[in-house]
Amino acid sequence: GEEVAQTPKHLVRGEGQKAKLYCAPIKGHSYVFWYQQVLKNEFKFLISFQNENVFDETGMPKERFSAKCLPNSPCSLEIQATKLEDSAVYFCASSQSFRQGGGYTFGSGTRLTVV
Amino acid sequence: GDSVTQMEGPVTLSEEAFLTINCTYTATGYPSLFWYVQYPGEGLQLLLKATKADDKGSNKGFEATYRKETTSFHLEKGSVQVSDSAVYFCAPLRGPQLSFGAGTTVTVRA
Repeated sequence: GEEVAQTPKHLVRGEGQKAKLYCAPIKGHSYVFWYQQVLKNEFKFLISFQNENVFDETGMPKERFSAKCLPNSPCSLEIQATKLEDSAVYFCASSQSFRQGGGYTFGSGTRLTVV
Repeated sequence: GDSVTQMEGPVTLSEEAFLTINCTYTATGYPSLFWYVQYPGEGLQLLLKATKADDKGSNKGFEATYRKETTSFHLEKGSVQVSDSAVYFCAPLRGPQLSFGAGTTVTVRA
């Protein structure tokens, strides 16, 4: 399809529970990106993939966050043992190419609330 | 990623007023520059872009010019509408990664 599909739209987890978010990129897009939006408008880069390979994971909290993009499956972002500060909207984006001029298409986000 | 300084909001203005949102970035070389818009409860949408110096991006009445000498990419619209109420993000792109400014919340009143 021509949109980045993120599921679920809303997710509520108790502290310490696991949370798993999904992202189906636009068909034909090779790059997938995850961002976390917390505190007003701030966007934090988490991780990017080129096909199923991790491209850049410098933004990922190593201890509890993990992500995958497997062939023929939606990409996923998993948070083990969620904490209150993980409450945020998580956005996925995909891109055909990151060469100069290539833009991202964003999904509508998953709002994670940790209680 | 690149550092982005974006005009602080919130900005409140009346319909048909002129809107400017300043954006400057610090970077080596010449990234592509983007403005994204986030309407309430939605994800980010690409508003406009410029890929090289002196390029002007435009869309929906918004414009921004890539100014290499001042490393700026200010967003302007001559006559805003209530439907322009949103959060606006300036974002340089270098390699695979977009860096976002802090976002400027704009509210347009009828």
